[in-house]
Amino acid sequence: AQTVTQSQPEMSVQEAETVTLSCTYDTSESDYYLFWYKQPPSRQMILVIRQEAYKQQNATENRFSVNFQKAAKSFSLKISDSQLGDAAMYFCAYRSGTGANNLFFGTGTRLTVIP
Amino acid sequence: ETGVTQSPTHLIKTRGQQVTLRCSSQSGHNTVSWYQQALGQGPQFIFQYYREEENGRGNFPPRFSGLQFPNYSSELNVNALELDDSALYLCASSLRASQETQYFGPGTRLLVL
Repeated sequence: AQTVTQSQPEMSVQEAETVTLSCTYDTSESDYYLFWYKQPPSRQMILVIRQEAYKQQNATENRFSVNFQKAAKSFSLKISDSQLGDAAMYFCAYRSGTGANNLFFGTGTRLTVIP
Repeated sequence: ETGVTQSPTHLIKTRGQQVTLRCSSQSGHNTVSWYQQALGQGPQFIFQYYREEENGRGNFPPRFSGLQFPNYSSELNVNALELDDSALYLCASSLRASQETQYFGPGTRLLVL
């Protein structure tokens, strides 16, 4: 079974600064997708960014970008110019490229943004 | 475009009871997945429905069952509730044909006493 590991239970960042959240995963598949979801106190899981494994180029969405290292099975999220609204739990997730498209989640990283 | 909705938002039950949770998928989506998120944990996959058929199941006992209706809305039923069933239950919809991203609803918080 695929496993996703987030080794940082908590992180903090000063407003306007940059922070990187770590994620590693274990799989024997070559075709898969990786995601970062944000879960604020409102509980709703919100998609932040998505990466297809076959793409070498790192995904970016405005202030959010990833560092995808396929050989190392690493998928970190960089948040630039951090804002107070970025404070939330962040979950890294894996989905196989074949079969059922269920997600495997890590245990999450709680991000605090300091004004 | 309507997002994923879930009802109820909160629910309190006692051990041994049965519960039904509901989910309406995002407009145009034909696949619904259910996840259980225990406090302080990441979501765990329960099962997925695609065009009214179960299409994958995680490591959950048979007392967790589901349905998907012709309009692609879905129900999660849990029988013989146990204390450990207390969790946030998340529903996510996607358009399976294009292997698109799953979009989540706000969840139902279930407390079993």
